[in-house]
Amino acid sequence: ENVLTQSPGTLSLSPGERAILSCRPSQSISSSFLAWHQQKPGQAPRLLIYAASRRATGIPDRFSGSGSGTDFTLTISRLEPEDFAVYYCQKYDSAPWTFGQGTKVEMK
Amino acid sequence: QLQLVQSGAEVKKPGASMKVSCKASGYTLTDFYVHWVRQAPGQGLEWMGWMNPDNGDTYYHQKFRGRVTMTSDTSISAAYIELSSLRSDDTAVYYCARGGTLSGIRRSNDYWGQGTLITVSS
Repeated sequence: ENVLTQSPGTLSLSPGERAILSCRPSQSISSSFLAWHQQKPGQAPRLLIYAASRRATGIPDRFSGSGSGTDFTLTISRLEPEDFAVYYCQKYDSAPWTFGQGTKVEMK
Repeated sequence: QLQLVQSGAEVKKPGASMKVSCKASGYTLTDFYVHWVRQAPGQGLEWMGWMNPDNGDTYYHQKFRGRVTMTSDTSISAAYIELSSLRSDDTAVYYCARGGTLSGIRRSNDYWGQGTLITVSS
C-alpha cells in the first residue's frame, strides 16, 4: 500500500504568515492524482485541491498546490483566521485511496 | 444545491451490525461513485472503499473485507454502508463522499456527507 507521509505534524503560525505543508507518498502517484482536504473541528472534510494543483470550486486563490511523483506541497500564501485547521493529502490514482496522517495548522 | 445527507448517530453493542444511509440530492446518484471514509475520535481519515451505484460494483479496503457491505437504492438516491461484528475500535464518524464519474473523470472526493457517529459500547 502506498503510504502518504505528511510533515510537519503541527505548524504554529500567525495570521498573515505563509504555510507550507508537505506530502510524500512512498510510491510515485501517477498523473498527479493527489488531493488536499481541509477539516475543521466537528466538520466534514472539504476538498481544496485536486490533480495536485487545481483548486476546487469556491476555494480562494491563497491556497495553491504543487508537485508530482513522490513530492507534493500545499501552500497557503497568507493565513486567514478561518484557515487554522487540519489538512490531509489523499491519493486517488488507484484503490485504496489512502490519506496522509494530517498536518494541524494552529494559531501561534 | 448538491448535498449528501446521512442518517443519525447510533450506539451499538460489540458484535452487532450497523447500517448508515447517505441520501444524495442535487445530482444523479448513478453518475458518480460513492466512497466511505471513517474517522475514529481524535484520529485521521481512513478510506474504506467505494461502490458504483449504477451496477453495484464495489471495492473494499482489505482491512474491512468480510465485514463491510456497500449498497444503494437508486429509486431514492441513497447509498448505504453496513459493518458487521462491531468492536470498540469501530467507534468512529462514518462519512460518505462523492467520488469520480462512472466515465472516469476523477476529482478525489469533492462532496462529503455531514458524518454519522457510530459508538460501539457495551
